[in-house]
Amino acid sequence: DTAVSQTPKYLVTQMGNDKSIKCEQNLGHDTMYWYKQDSKKFLKIMFSYNNKELIINETVPNRFSPKSPDKAHLNLHINSLELGDSAVYFCASSSRGNSNQPQHFGDGTRLSIL
Amino acid sequence: GNSVTQMEGPVTLSEEAFLTINCTYTATGYPSLFWYVQYPGEGLQLLLKATKADDKGSNKGFEATYRKETTSFHLEKGSVQVSDSAVYFCALVINNAGNMLTFGGGTRLMVKP
Repeated sequence: DTAVSQTPKYLVTQMGNDKSIKCEQNLGHDTMYWYKQDSKKFLKIMFSYNNKELIINETVPNRFSPKSPDKAHLNLHINSLELGDSAVYFCASSSRGNSNQPQHFGDGTRLSIL
Repeated sequence: GNSVTQMEGPVTLSEEAFLTINCTYTATGYPSLFWYVQYPGEGLQLLLKATKADDKGSNKGFEATYRKETTSFHLEKGSVQVSDSAVYFCALVINNAGNMLTFGGGTRLMVKP
């Protein structure tokens, strides 16, 4: 059973389009995250949601809008895609009450902007 | 702020060689420390962790010891295999501060037969 699942795995689209990436976790965690991994493999937090509420929003353009319909889902919508948005986006989840427990990651969504 | 610094790769070793990947950190609070591994085309998997000073995390032959005095968490393995080829990330979380992971830049390990 997949613990953290993201769809799609690959996303190829043109500049200026709007796209969404979905994430679901079946671990019963109350906190979910989006990370961006650039071409040099550098990973950086974008957003963190706890119980459907935003708790971390790093310096991310407002073209990126996360949406959490419930604790098990955190979707990422991106408007007006730009070339610099090309990256691998990882969803993760954890239990907020215990920072010693690791975050569980999805397999990533590779976004390529043409 | 919080930061993690890892040695830059790629690190290229022959099978059965000894591996060390250095990791040092700066933190505003008391961190828990992690090593994650990313195999080609896959997501990140937890490799090992340590939550307090002098703890040793270990898994699959890999070890790392939480050294508060040197703010380090170096990853070691006595005998690497070709299947260990991957990108390794050192990371920290500040306890009771949002659980946000701060990652190092990653170190690519290539093991040749």
